[in-house]
Amino acid sequence: SQQGEEDPQALSIQEGENATMNCSYKTSINNLQWYRQNSGRGLVHLILIRSNEREKHSGRLRVTLDTSKKSSSLLITASRAADTASYFCATVTYSGNTPLVFGKGTRLSVIA
Amino acid sequence: DVKVTQSSRYLVKRTGEKVFLECVQDMDHENMFWYRQDPGLGLRLIYFSYDVKMKEKGDIPEGYSVSREKKERFSLILESASTNQTSMYLCASKQGSGANVLTFGAGSRLTVL
Repeated sequence: SQQGEEDPQALSIQEGENATMNCSYKTSINNLQWYRQNSGRGLVHLILIRSNEREKHSGRLRVTLDTSKKSSSLLITASRAADTASYFCATVTYSGNTPLVFGKGTRLSVIA
Repeated sequence: DVKVTQSSRYLVKRTGEKVFLECVQDMDHENMFWYRQDPGLGLRLIYFSYDVKMKEKGDIPEGYSVSREKKERFSLILESASTNQTSMYLCASKQGSGANVLTFGAGSRLTVL
């Protein structure tokens, strides 16, 4: 059962521009996470935001969470060609031994 | 610095063959997971394990089984491979409690002919 749905499915921008990806989910969550996947590789955790947080920063990444709208956004500022990858949101419905539920991802292409 | 290792990056098997996908983690994590990833479908959970010898079905367990005899190793088994099991298989692990952040292996791309 996939809960997170990313939007857009694909995004193409020029180097130096900002990239924004959105994630919507259906049920209450404990936390929401963003992962990155380079082509043909495994996923790498980027950032986690808890349900009682509204915004979080990590380097060039900014994540927001709006639990009233059941949505999150990932902003990558000053994008680089190396940011080209697929980005996935994943939700955790409650803490403990709970599998993460992933969306289908946004494929980001940053053109040099 | 490799923490989750999947034994095979690429495999080609024939329909009806028994296939073993091995995953080993060196972080002493309690929980381990197998996902498959297909274009347009994202990641779907096949099986997961909370502890040694324990297993739980995910969203798409049909056609698969798993084995966890040791804490560090979680094996995915395709008893009789079929062409619709051609996919990228991703293993992941995490601590038993806390933030639930997953560490993934590099993936195993399986082609069934």
